[in-house]
Amino acid sequence: GAGVSQSPSNKVTEKGKDVELRCDPISGHTALYWYRQRLGQGLEFLIYFQGNSAPDKSGLPSDRFSAERTGESVSTLTIQRTQQEDSAVYLCASSYGRYNEQFFGPGTRLTVL
Amino acid sequence: AQTVTQSQPEMSVQEAETVTLSCTYDTSESDYYLFWYKQPPSRQMILVIRQEAYKQQNATENRFSVNFQKAAKSFSLKISDSQLGDAAMYFCSGMTTDSWGKLQFGAGTQVVVTP
Repeated sequence: GAGVSQSPSNKVTEKGKDVELRCDPISGHTALYWYRQRLGQGLEFLIYFQGNSAPDKSGLPSDRFSAERTGESVSTLTIQRTQQEDSAVYLCASSYGRYNEQFFGPGTRLTVL
Repeated sequence: AQTVTQSQPEMSVQEAETVTLSCTYDTSESDYYLFWYKQPPSRQMILVIRQEAYKQQNATENRFSVNFQKAAKSFSLKISDSQLGDAAMYFCSGMTTDSWGKLQFGAGTQVVVTP
């Protein structure tokens, strides 16, 4: 079956612009996670969705970052007024429930010039 | 709070040999799950193996096995009979049962496999 997909694969933007990153989870997965991976580092948790509610947003680095999810489907991560330190790979993962295996998408590489 | 520490930036192994990757997982919680993920150059994170903290038996998946020492907070991964396809970045991670399932990751260990 289809895995987690993310789009775009790569995004280059100028400092100060807004960007939207999209995640399509595996059908039937109620839990969805966003992580950020800076160059040469491990993944940092950003936000968790259960259905379309977000009980844990503790990892969002600033109010420039926001995310939403439509039902148990697509999620978008929005970064407003991008800064160079936002450059990273943004990974999305989904699972049947919060203690089940998380399946990861291929990520979106964001470069802020 | 949890801390995941991987102290080996890179490990090299010859094909067919065995390599062991180290990890420490420090938490005050008694109930948690530990994982090893593999990330090849394609960026796709792939689950290698999972260990529940309450289980005394160490997990095994084919050529991959863990040595979980709860008191020592140690969670090492052994790759036996290494293959060229095992070359990747390996991340140790963990989640506590009160964490909404969010994973905490270490910095990673790059595994290089030489013919």
